[in-house]
Amino acid sequence: DAGITQSPRHKVTETGTPVTLRCHQTENHRYMYWYRQDPGHGLRLIHYSYGVKDTDKGEVSDGYSVSRSKTEDFLLTLESATSSQTSVYFCAISDPQGNTGELFFGEGSRLTVL
Amino acid sequence: LAKTTQPISMDSYEGQEVNITCSHNNIATNDYITWYQQFPSQGPRFIIQGYKTKVTNEVASLFIPADRKSSTLSLPRVSLSDTAVYYCLVGPTGGGNKLTFGTGTQLKVEL
Repeated sequence: DAGITQSPRHKVTETGTPVTLRCHQTENHRYMYWYRQDPGHGLRLIHYSYGVKDTDKGEVSDGYSVSRSKTEDFLLTLESATSSQTSVYFCAISDPQGNTGELFFGEGSRLTVL
Repeated sequence: LAKTTQPISMDSYEGQEVNITCSHNNIATNDYITWYQQFPSQGPRFIIQGYKTKVTNEVASLFIPADRKSSTLSLPRVSLSDTAVYYCLVGPTGGGNKLTFGTGTQLKVEL
């Protein structure tokens, strides 16, 4: 399995509080992604990174920010969490040198905003 | 990126062959077709990828007609452990693309 660790795996927080989710990889892959998964919506891309300090928005980026100061870490921040951000968050990585551009996913972080 | 359409759900029995079709009418010349599998409480996992005609690996086959506007994932002799959600993605390879998964197809395999 690809070396991807998400933390925390579970978090319960209150509306209005800041939350940071961390994705750590040991594969030295250039690309990293944050997705959220909700019933009836599949996986939706929040933000992605194509290198250190290089990030771009996905389809559901409002209310989220990201940072990537090192190759191995990609942080997702909810500046002021809302109940609509209750979801399961998945980090993924991919290698541009790979043949298929295959995405490798972490185990997910379940966030509940009360 | 090309939009995909898949059936929401499918049911099958152990030992049967399952074919899941994905429609992608506006696929671009440099797009590949990739399928992922997701079990509950896990992230998706790559199954197979193809560009045209037929691709086969140890777990599945992927059939792509000449016009590439659709594709079919074929799972031979499914078992209970194949119960999962299957996603069809269309886009360039190489990473760094805004790949979206859609809602996928929930496959349920029964005895």
